[in-house]
Amino acid sequence: QKEVEQDPGPLSVPEGAIVSLNCTYSNSAFQYFMWYRQYSRKGPELLMYTYSSGNKEDGRFTAQVDKSSKYISLFIRDSQPSDSATYLCAMKGSGDKLTFGTGTRLAVRP
Amino acid sequence: DGGITQSPKYLFRKEGQNVTLSCEQNLNHDAMYWYRQDPGQGLRLIYYSQIVNDFQKGDIAEGYSVSREKKESFPLTVTSAQKNPTAFYLCASSPMTSGIYEQYFGPGTRLTVT
Repeated sequence: QKEVEQDPGPLSVPEGAIVSLNCTYSNSAFQYFMWYRQYSRKGPELLMYTYSSGNKEDGRFTAQVDKSSKYISLFIRDSQPSDSATYLCAMKGSGDKLTFGTGTRLAVRP
Repeated sequence: DGGITQSPKYLFRKEGQNVTLSCEQNLNHDAMYWYRQDPGQGLRLIYYSQIVNDFQKGDIAEGYSVSREKKESFPLTVTSAQKNPTAFYLCASSPMTSGIYEQYFGPGTRLTVT
């Protein structure tokens, strides 16, 4: 079993929809949780990070962490065609390394 | 313009040849990383370095080598011992003060070995 599980999609939604992207994990030592966006044939870019449980909002993006359920989510409000990309979750415990999910491919239809 | 550059964008090599991928950053970051990305497998850590002249193996270091002679540069050599070298290679850097969770990625190099 992988330490971080992420549905690969693809997820297709109409423009303006609320998108929910999720990851589950098994390592209870993870404390830092990140979301990256990766456009096709490009490097990932950091969207948001959170520490421990709770919510964090940045514009149309909201990151949620539920450590009791070992479950994290990224919500995108008013989705735009420019949000079409692969979204990667990443996690870190006390060590030096990040553990990445496999990514969810999102397509927002105009 | 601050950032991470990787060159070349596309690289083609014959089996049995060593190849070196370049990664340069002008963000003054202490830590640098190399990842490999394959379809359906996410990012896997090859090597990382937190300080000049020091580096550590990641999860899949076999068949790869690195050097860190300058803070700005962290080249990766894919040797002929790497069994499946065809992949998308990503370099990242991070300021140590961030706790190494804010990693910034370069544009990647797509290596094809035939």
